[in-house]
Amino acid sequence: QVQLVQSGAEVKKPGASVKISCKASGYNLADYTLHWVRQAPGQSLEWMGWINAGNGHTKFSQKFQDRVTITRDTFARTAYMELSSLRSEDTAVYFCARGRPISEDYYDSRGFTEWGQGTLVTVSS
Amino acid sequence: SYDLTQPPSVSMSPGQTARITCSGDALSKQFAYWYQQKPGQAPVVVIYKDSERPSGIPERFSGSSSGTTVTLTISGVQAEDEADYYCQSPDSSDSWVFGGGTKLTVL
Repeated sequence: QVQLVQSGAEVKKPGASVKISCKASGYNLADYTLHWVRQAPGQSLEWMGWINAGNGHTKFSQKFQDRVTITRDTFARTAYMELSSLRSEDTAVYFCARGRPISEDYYDSRGFTEWGQGTLVTVSS
Repeated sequence: SYDLTQPPSVSMSPGQTARITCSGDALSKQFAYWYQQKPGQAPVVVIYKDSERPSGIPERFSGSSSGTTVTLTISGVQAEDEADYYCQSPDSSDSWVFGGGTKLTVL
């Protein structure tokens, strides 16, 4: 079955960067988009960006576009999200989630159909 | 970007019909998606493209759309439906937004 398995919890100091991995199994990573979503404690879900895992094209929320990088290694079946210049407000659980097949238009999306288990990032001095 | 507005909380007794709304200008032009999230778990999509139900989601979950408001309806609420529910929508540039979430309490 389709699974997304994320890397483990991280503790970082303000100003540092964090890089989280998301390993896909049960499907070909390169055939779908892959999104990153975060959730601060007690808060709503917040979309950060996505990658077309086939061609590497990315799109980011305006809020994060200066600080976030999303990449993928199709041979390793793994996507990565790196967030730089961390501050305390970045303390959150970060999720990866599978989006639409890259052959389809966003209008045909069935939503974010599979999710990783989440990675807690704590930013503290 | 744009906003999607949900009520913070809804309370229902078992067996009643729960309706959770989501409002936003983009919803008149874009599809809406609904996610259920239970504590400590990742979200699960329960409705996509306004009213489509993924396989494995109980029939008591349904969705509808009217103008700039979409509604998630849970007919015959059960204790297991207690969760946070989030609406979501893309914009025409394939950026995505979530609503603020609604906590459904089953009394």
